[in-house]
Amino acid sequence: DVVMTQSPLSLPVTLGQPASISCRSSQSLVYRDGNTYLNWFQQRPGQSPRRLIYKVSNRDSGVPDRFSGSGSGTDFTLKISRLEAEDVGVYYCMQGSHWPLTFGGGTKVEIK
Amino acid sequence: EVHLVESGGGLVQPGRSLRLSCTASGFTFGDYGMSWVRQAPGKGLEWVGFIRSKAYGGTTEYAASVKGRFTISRDDSKSIAYLQMNSLKTEDTAVYYCTRGDYYDSNGYYFLFDYWGQGTLVTVSS
Repeated sequence: DVVMTQSPLSLPVTLGQPASISCRSSQSLVYRDGNTYLNWFQQRPGQSPRRLIYKVSNRDSGVPDRFSGSGSGTDFTLKISRLEAEDVGVYYCMQGSHWPLTFGGGTKVEIK
Repeated sequence: EVHLVESGGGLVQPGRSLRLSCTASGFTFGDYGMSWVRQAPGKGLEWVGFIRSKAYGGTTEYAASVKGRFTISRDDSKSIAYLQMNSLKTEDTAVYYCTRGDYYDSNGYYFLFDYWGQGTLVTVSS
């Protein structure tokens, strides 16, 4: 199985400051069609997960442009350019290139 | 507008069965693969299983933790995906979410997990 390792586990950030979350996979996420199926999700307290980013770096409709995704192969990053209060929650990466599908363990973003 | 509504959760004793439903609206359900994801209390997200669209065989994939006990099926005429859970264990206690899994069109393949339901809580306890 592909293991998805996120770091850090917890990320206290001052409002207006940047935040960065790392996600590493135990094997390459490049699928046979040449695409890399790596999604990022946000889960606010008490809510269902919300997809933010798909295929590494494509932002979903309605997602603020302060969120960006990057990376390739086995190494991926989610960045928030300037943290806002509504960004508090847990962030997960997920790979869709190999069965079984797997999620990272989550990174809790909070206000410092 | 896409909507997914899970139902069927509740309290069940270990070893018993439960069937969850995911009722979809706002899209052509039969064209999409569908997936179930769960979240134990205070824990992270865990993928449970996947059912492909009928055009791609309607076949299924499962996490090792549920394989042989859980079965996903679909009724495209009703736009419902089901999760049949047998031989339930206390460690199956979680909120269960359904989500759109994937889609194919003339432009290619789309791995989704873009829309999620509100979840339904399953508690396995004696």
